[in-house]
Amino acid sequence: TQLLEQSPQFLSIQEGENLTVYCNSSSVFSSLQWYRQEPGEGPVLLVTVVTGGEVKKLKRLTFQFGDARKDSSLHITAAQPGDTGLYLCAGGRSGGSNYKLTFGKGTLLTVNP
Amino acid sequence: GAGVSQSPSNKVTEKGKDVELRCDPISGHTALYWYRQSLGQGLEFLIYFQGNSAPDKSGLPSDRFSAERTGGSVSTLTIQRTQQEDSAVYLCASSLSSGSSPLHFGNGTRLTVT
Repeated sequence: TQLLEQSPQFLSIQEGENLTVYCNSSSVFSSLQWYRQEPGEGPVLLVTVVTGGEVKKLKRLTFQFGDARKDSSLHITAAQPGDTGLYLCAGGRSGGSNYKLTFGKGTLLTVNP
Repeated sequence: GAGVSQSPSNKVTEKGKDVELRCDPISGHTALYWYRQSLGQGLEFLIYFQGNSAPDKSGLPSDRFSAERTGGSVSTLTIQRTQQEDSAVYLCASSLSSGSSPLHFGNGTRLTVT
């Protein structure tokens, strides 16, 4: 079973601070997705990275896929209360089961005003 | 346009009863997924439907769980003889196709087995 470990599990910071959350695995993934989930709602896709070393920016969010495609990070600059939520990473495989994503347990981020 | 719709949003049932959870995917999406999210756990894959192909049921935790997708659209997840460990949020997602197509999740059904 391919596992994705996310760290930290919980993170509570003040508005305006920067933060980084991590998603690590011993296995190689063909793609890596990041989702944000708010209470009572389903996860919403933020970004997909597919190339080793790839960096994508979405406003104040920067996503990086490791060179070996085993790990990823999400960096948030000047966090806002609206960034509060559960951040989930999900790895995709190539081949016949490419639809079957492996999800991490998530990082629960709280940004205090 | 409308997103993925799930019903009911909350369900409380007694141990041993059967439950049916419904998912209405985004129109035109051929792929449909069911995931389970338990407290403190990641999303656990349950089952995958793609068009008219045979579903991938490899994630169903026991034979008490079954799912069907009628007419390539609406899907129903059925749990028979519910147990307390079945308590979780059941999430449905759809996508245009499989593979790298992004998943669109519904808001889930929170199932509580007492």
